[in-house]
Amino acid sequence: IAGITQAPTSQILAAGRRMTLRCTQDMRHNAMYWYRQDLGLGLRLIHYSNTAGTTGKGEVPDGYSVSRANTDDFPLTLASAVPSQTSVYFCASSAGIGSGANVLTFGAGSRLTVL
Amino acid sequence: GQNIDQPTEMTATEGAIVQINCTYQTSGFNGLFWYQQHAGEAPTFLSYNVLDGLEEKGRFSSFLSRSKGYSYLLLKELQMKDSASYLCAVRDSNYQLIWGAGTKLIIKP
Repeated sequence: IAGITQAPTSQILAAGRRMTLRCTQDMRHNAMYWYRQDLGLGLRLIHYSNTAGTTGKGEVPDGYSVSRANTDDFPLTLASAVPSQTSVYFCASSAGIGSGANVLTFGAGSRLTVL
Repeated sequence: GQNIDQPTEMTATEGAIVQINCTYQTSGFNGLFWYQQHAGEAPTFLSYNVLDGLEEKGRFSSFLSRSKGYSYLLLKELQMKDSASYLCAVRDSNYQLIWGAGTKLIIKP
């Protein structure tokens, strides 16, 4: 089934540890995104990539890094996790950017708890 | 700053009609989206409006007034499976999506 796969589904992490959330899509979408979702707040963009080989900072990029070595994969790394990074993380993709619907397809999410 | 406002929670009865409002103030406008998100799941696309007026898709309709910075999502013939959060998002002048916090819709029998 075409879509986005995220891993892990859930993780408990000690503060200060390094963590990579994996995201893979098989729809050949050009654009990919990482969002965090916290109770009472809208989805907030962490980083994005408009095409393989390029990345950009979103609204809340501090403490996170991404890479886009190929079209399909877009991992998110927390170099040194802090409790404020406890959240649900969603990876998403879209066929393109700019005008038109460019509907986002989301992965199932990764629930991260930093203690 | 950019802001999307929608009610936190609404309750409606199975079989009835409910309207979920969304007001926005953003830097530019390049379309408004509605997504549905069931608890513990990913958001899924419902509708897209870029011109003023009503877009109808089965039991769901979405309305946009750009001059008023206002949209609503109308759900008809409510079913229990419509219990979910409904997210309003606006694409700004930089083509970035600004998201509302979502409206949790509770359907009662």
